[in-house]
Amino acid sequence: QQQVKQSPQSLIVQKGGISIINCAYENTAFDYFPWYQQFPGKGPALLIAIRPDVSEKKEGRFTISFNKSAKQFSLHIMDSQPGDSATYFCAANTGNQFYFGTGTSLTVIP
Amino acid sequence: DTGVSQDPRHKITKRGQNVTFRCDPISEHNRLYWYRQTLGQGPEFLTYFQNEAQLEKSRLLSDRFSAERPKGSFSTLEIQRTEQGDSAMYLCASSPRVAGEETQYFGPGTRLLVL
Repeated sequence: QQQVKQSPQSLIVQKGGISIINCAYENTAFDYFPWYQQFPGKGPALLIAIRPDVSEKKEGRFTISFNKSAKQFSLHIMDSQPGDSATYFCAANTGNQFYFGTGTSLTVIP
Repeated sequence: DTGVSQDPRHKITKRGQNVTFRCDPISEHNRLYWYRQTLGQGPEFLTYFQNEAQLEKSRLLSDRFSAERPKGSFSTLEIQRTEQGDSAMYLCASSPRVAGEETQYFGPGTRLLVL
């Protein structure tokens, strides 16, 4: 059973455009929601994270929007660049366990 | 480099053989996690250590899998009698003991191929 559902599976965006990746969860015990970026052959790297008491968090070109009532959260990448081309994973944490989405492969076209 | 390191980076083995992977976490991190990642999927939790104590194990961790973290420093993950279905990337992550800080720092992974 997938604890965190992520969409879309793949995304193609023009350079300078906005990339949006969505995640949904059911378990209300989740209290920490990170996003990871992974390049081929590398381990995931933390990009940005949010807690459910905040509706939005912005770090540079990356923004997380969090809707607690809908149990959804999304990653927005503004002014997308070819260097952003990677796989992005959302995750949710409760206690000592992290549950990851299935990933979104982002391609930014120059 | 003071990040999480894993060894080996790649391992090819024949079905039925035993393999062991090592993870060296960031030195001051007391929490250590093992994950398995297959192609096109997110990491799946396998097990968690706090210092030397193994506090959680996933149902994914069959009897053929065992993990240790002696002295609360490096950790090893052993797979006995490997099967082709064990082929995956095995990721290690560590996290500091700071209240409210759950950030995980991942290593580069060990890619296992079972022939």
